[in-house]
Amino acid sequence: EVQLVESGGGLVQPGGSLRLSCAASGFPFSGHVMSWVRQAPGKGLEWVSAISGSGDSIYYADSVKGRFTISRDNSKNTLYLQMNSLRAEDTAVYYCAAARGFLRSFDIWGQGTVVTVSS
Amino acid sequence: EIVLTQSPGTLSLSPGERASLSCRASQSVSSSYLAWYQQKPGQAPRLLISGASSRATGIPDRFSGSGSGTDFTLTISRLEPEDFAVYYCQQYGSSLLTFGGGTKVEIK
Repeated sequence: EVQLVESGGGLVQPGGSLRLSCAASGFPFSGHVMSWVRQAPGKGLEWVSAISGSGDSIYYADSVKGRFTISRDNSKNTLYLQMNSLRAEDTAVYYCAAARGFLRSFDIWGQGTVVTVSS
Repeated sequence: EIVLTQSPGTLSLSPGERASLSCRASQSVSSSYLAWYQQKPGQAPRLLISGASSRATGIPDRFSGSGSGTDFTLTISRLEPEDFAVYYCQQYGSSLLTFGGGTKVEIK
């Protein structure tokens, strides 16, 4: 079964850090571009970051550049998002999503993990 | 960054009616790298259309996409009860991916 399962969400204070994970199964993980997409409560979708299959190409939205770091471990079929200097506006459901390459749509989505930044 | 503007914000229709959702880009979307997703409450988005007009695997043919350049449309020919949801367009033709703000299709 094709599956993405996120974990690592939770409640964190402003200025704190959190590391999200996304475990992939049922498809060739190393051959897919992986992204993080978030959705603030009651709001629309916002792309956060993307990483190529090899990990050599990485892109970030301006809203998280310098604070978030995307990475992947193809030996473990796992995607990561290290989130530092968290702000209240980072509160959202974080989804991982897979595409068959850059210039391709997201055809696989996880169910999301909730991140709440609050004191 | 390519800004996508979806309209209307909310569409109130009855089952069996036709729905037309618009997505306009602030600049031309390369090679029609435009996708549509459906999202229901508490669920992850689901890919409906890629390449502006190609239906994803398993998507019923009542869903169709059209357009190019800066103007794109998602059409649902006859609304089924399960189609009432929020729909997002997304461009993936640049390194900075962007989504539209969404259109909610609700039961009238």
